[in-house]
Amino acid sequence: GAVVSQHPSWVICKSGTSVKIECRSLDFQATTMFWYRQFPKQSLMLMATSNEGSKATYEQGVEKDKFLINHASLTLSTLTVTSAHPEDSSFYICSARDFGTGGSNTEAFFGQGTRLTVV
Amino acid sequence: AQSVAQPEDQVNVAEGNPLTVKCTYSVSGNPYLFWYVQYPNRGLQFLLKYITGDNLVKGSYGFEAEFNKSQTSFHLKKPSALVSDSALYFCAVRVGGATNKLIFGTGTLLAVQP
Repeated sequence: GAVVSQHPSWVICKSGTSVKIECRSLDFQATTMFWYRQFPKQSLMLMATSNEGSKATYEQGVEKDKFLINHASLTLSTLTVTSAHPEDSSFYICSARDFGTGGSNTEAFFGQGTRLTVV
Repeated sequence: AQSVAQPEDQVNVAEGNPLTVKCTYSVSGNPYLFWYVQYPNRGLQFLLKYITGDNLVKGSYGFEAEFNKSQTSFHLKKPSALVSDSALYFCAVRVGGATNKLIFGTGTLLAVQP
């Protein structure tokens, strides 16, 4: 299947600093990528839909100024957590679909996730 | 509203026994259904999907799922569980529109005892 790579796998940052997480589609082009947040022992919560060349679409309740998304190319989307606070500590996961191979029926592939800890 | 329910937080099964992880859905129109597995501190791995066609879908690692339209269910099954199957399993449904978002169930932790 298609490969989605996420970097870094884990990061520890000080409160008030910003952290950037990268999501890359390695062997396909992704016009749309999705960013999720997962709390311990809970399901994935969709944060936003990242659209190549245009603004991201945020889910209700997600602060767009805090979670900046940039999708500047067909293979890269970034999520920047700005002025991070301890409550932002979480597991962040991205996903993308390879429409070129499977068309509209293709499944989503996920990155390996990023464990963010804000101290 | 479109939703997915996984009624069991945890399923315990002995190695070698059959396993079932339950999933029910509520969507308008035809559902696109998926099962994913997550190991600790990892992203999700795709197991199988139902889009159309045969109600019994076979996927990775010996897993299969049966789409039941009348019961709005898509239960995940495996004839003989392995200890290495122990993980967190998510059922998901794709909703329509331009974004084709996935809505996930709350997840079921499968524990296979040796």
